[in-house]
Amino acid sequence: GAVVSQHPSRVICKSGTSVKIECRSLDFQATTMFWYRQFPKQSLMLMATSNEGSKATYEQGVEKDKFLINHASLTLSTLTVTSAHPEDSSFYICSARSPGVGTQYFGPGTRLLVL
Amino acid sequence: AQTVTQSQPEMSVQEAETVTLSCTYDTSENNYYLFWYKQPPSRQMILVIRQEAYKQQNATENRFSVNFQKAAKSFSLKISDSQLGDTAMYFCAFMKPWPGSQGNLIFGKGTKLSVKP
Repeated sequence: GAVVSQHPSRVICKSGTSVKIECRSLDFQATTMFWYRQFPKQSLMLMATSNEGSKATYEQGVEKDKFLINHASLTLSTLTVTSAHPEDSSFYICSARSPGVGTQYFGPGTRLLVL
Repeated sequence: AQTVTQSQPEMSVQEAETVTLSCTYDTSENNYYLFWYKQPPSRQMILVIRQEAYKQQNATENRFSVNFQKAAKSFSLKISDSQLGDTAMYFCAFMKPWPGSQGNLIFGKGTKLSVKP
């Protein structure tokens, strides 16, 4: 199956700092990538849809100025959590949509802990 | 709006036995895709199986097969010869075809499957 990488896998930061998470599709070009947030024992919650070369589309209730998304190439999308606070602590997962049918393949996730 | 319902929060099965996970969905679309993903304790989301709504034949992938009932809007997953490594959270998901939509997935709440030795 297609491979999507995500870095870092785990990050601990101080309140008020910014954190950047990278999502890469390693063996296919992805015009669209997605960013999710997952709380413990819950399903995935879509945060935003990232299209290469254009602005991301954010889901209702997601602050676009807090969660900055950049999709500068067909293989890389980044999520920057700006001025992170403890309530932003969560598990963040990206996915990349494959060509053709558009099956989503997921990265391994990033565990963010804000102190 | 589309919805996906998984009515079994938790299930367990003995190793080597067969288990079926249920999923129903609601949509007015005629063409769409359905997926089962598993999320083991590592939390990596792994594609298990995919079904195109226009195909009447049920999809199979080794020990995994689906029972797709389009009229009933039902999409169950059968795991045969269950293995310890099948222990995971299983998510059913719906997707409208792309292009024509962003291709985003609508997930159910998941079923936690435990395979017991």
